[in-house]
Amino acid sequence: QPVLTQSSSASASLGSSVKLTCTLSSGHSNYIIAWHQQQPGKAPRYLMKLEGSGNYNKGSGIPDRFSGSSSGADRFLSISNLQSEDEADYYCETWDNNSRVFGGGTKLTVL
Amino acid sequence: QVQLVQSGAEVKKPGASVKVSCKASGYTFTGYYMHWVRQAPGQGLEWMGWINPNSGGTNSAQKFQGRVTMTRDTSISTASMELSSLRSDDTAVYYCAREGDGNTIDYWGQGTLVTVSS
Repeated sequence: QPVLTQSSSASASLGSSVKLTCTLSSGHSNYIIAWHQQQPGKAPRYLMKLEGSGNYNKGSGIPDRFSGSSSGADRFLSISNLQSEDEADYYCETWDNNSRVFGGGTKLTVL
Repeated sequence: QVQLVQSGAEVKKPGASVKVSCKASGYTFTGYYMHWVRQAPGQGLEWMGWINPNSGGTNSAQKFQGRVTMTRDTSISTASMELSSLRSDDTAVYYCAREGDGNTIDYWGQGTLVTVSS
């Protein structure tokens, strides 16, 4: 069963860029993941599917400011030109043997 | 457009059961697995299980096996999740979530708050 590790918090200034990391456990470095955003008091929203190759496919209506990339067991979510509405919790998700796994989430603060 | 609309908030006593429903629209209900995910107050996302709306087959996380029952009614495009023997630590927001063509969860319901309190 894969384990997804995320930093608990991150911060960046309005208008700047930030890169969030989701790390796959040993033996699972080639797994595909998904990124989800959860704004305060709201349900999660799907952002994108991200492969180990770095290829990603975004969900409907996700702004160009959001992109993904990969390096080894690390999966990255990059957000450019940060807006106030980007302040949210970000979760990564993967799956194996008919079950799902979520990372612990990263709380992003926009300063 | 895809929509998942869940039933309203519930308050239950310890030991009781709760059933949360999720009505799907905007796509072929039987064509996509439905997952259930919960989130305790101030905590992260916890996967509970899935149902195949076409066959009715289910799979749940080991933690919930024996306590969770997932069903569907294809005539009204609705999936349901029943959790029994409720405890105070089952207090959480429960989400239904569709698994899309890419095997990721791609749509979420709005969530249903279940409060377990004596």
